[in-house]
Amino acid sequence: SQQGEEDPQALSIQEGENATMNCSYKTSINNLQWYRQNSGRGLVHLILIRSNEREKHSGRLRVTLDTSKKSSSLLITASRAADTASYFCATDGGGYNKLIFGAGTRLAVHP
Amino acid sequence: DAGVTQSPTHLIKTRGQQVTLRCSPKSGHDTVSWYQQALGQGPQFIFQYYEEEERQRGNFPDRFSGHQFPNYSSELNVNALLLGDSALYLCASSLVDRGLTDTQYFGPGTRLTVL
Repeated sequence: SQQGEEDPQALSIQEGENATMNCSYKTSINNLQWYRQNSGRGLVHLILIRSNEREKHSGRLRVTLDTSKKSSSLLITASRAADTASYFCATDGGGYNKLIFGAGTRLAVHP
Repeated sequence: DAGVTQSPTHLIKTRGQQVTLRCSPKSGHDTVSWYQQALGQGPQFIFQYYEEEERQRGNFPDRFSGHQFPNYSSELNVNALLLGDSALYLCASSLVDRGLTDTQYFGPGTRLTVL
């Protein structure tokens, strides 16, 4: 079963715009991670946020976590065509970091 | 510093055959997890190996088995292949710290096609 659910399923924007993706999950967690995947290749780790953190930044990425609502968001600022990919959130379900993924958000950034 | 490597990149098998996929973890990592990703879906956890033992298992049949070697590399074996086993198989490595694993780093995957 998939714990994380990303919203929207697909997002199409122009270069320079911001992209926001949301993730909801069902059980308690120790941490939540965001990954990017280009064209069916391996997943690239973007950010890990722990359950006692509320916000984290990495370059143009900003991740928030609201454990009371069991939700997280990923914001990509000033998007580029190279950001075109699928984005997944993954939770550890409070266990040994057995990652549980959602179906992902497909982001298309047009030049 | 080499990242996670997987072999082969692509594989084509027929129903009923057996397949072995290989993974070498990132340097310094001691835990290997395997995931199956069907087209258009998120990865699904198959199992995780730590200290050469299966530590956790997802909802996959016994046809899926694995092994971890003393150098932390790992193999995934699938017997009696079905058409539905066609997928991208991803290996991820991580480091156990105080009983919890941290960031998982993924390899490029092996694309398995079952005909």
